[in-house]
Amino acid sequence: AQSVTQLDSQVPVFEEAPVELRCNYSSSVSVYLFWYVQYPNQGLQLLLKYLSGSTLVKGINGFEAEFNKSQTSFHLRKPSVHISDTAEYFCAVSDGQAGTALIFGKGTTLSVSS
Amino acid sequence: GAVVSQHPSRVICKSGTSVKIECRSLDFQATTMFWYRQFPKQSLMLMATSNEGSKATYEQGVEKDKFLINHASLTLSTLTVTSAHPEDSSFYICSAFIPQGSYEQYFGPGTRLTVT
Repeated sequence: AQSVTQLDSQVPVFEEAPVELRCNYSSSVSVYLFWYVQYPNQGLQLLLKYLSGSTLVKGINGFEAEFNKSQTSFHLRKPSVHISDTAEYFCAVSDGQAGTALIFGKGTTLSVSS
Repeated sequence: GAVVSQHPSRVICKSGTSVKIECRSLDFQATTMFWYRQFPKQSLMLMATSNEGSKATYEQGVEKDKFLINHASLTLSTLTVTSAHPEDSSFYICSAFIPQGSYEQYFGPGTRLTVT
């Protein structure tokens, strides 16, 4: 079964600093990868996804992620964060079969301070 | 983009009562919906897969008689927490799957259930 490991439970950064949130997944023949953001008491919003093609994926709000098959990683990056980026971030994986549920990592709390 | 709604957004009920949570896909038909549960400061745990017109598939450890799921139409799935207890207090989130193209799931805004 697929599994997802988010290596950092909390990441504190200062405003305008770069940030990387790490995500590793268990290997599979084919895999779809996602990053979601969750603000307090809200549902999940898709930041970006990797299905196939270019390994560098650009998403909303200035975020991007790189799919690295050899390292089974899908780290999320942003070159300059804002206070409003403070939220919980979840990495998720699907096994590529239509209609299957996502498997989520435990989440990373990004705290941006001034 | 596709929109999924949940109702209610918050509910407080007394121990022993039942609560129904609705999940609707507003602008698309969803043959498959998923129900997740999220405890405070934790990740989303899949509870069950809801398929229109058939019985839900429950994950290991989820009591199907306690968490009743009905997917009666292509736009509505309901989760009923029966005989709720304080330990059922949680954030329940549904998602709907669009089978064509993107393999993306669209998530509802969640329902905060508090059992007193």
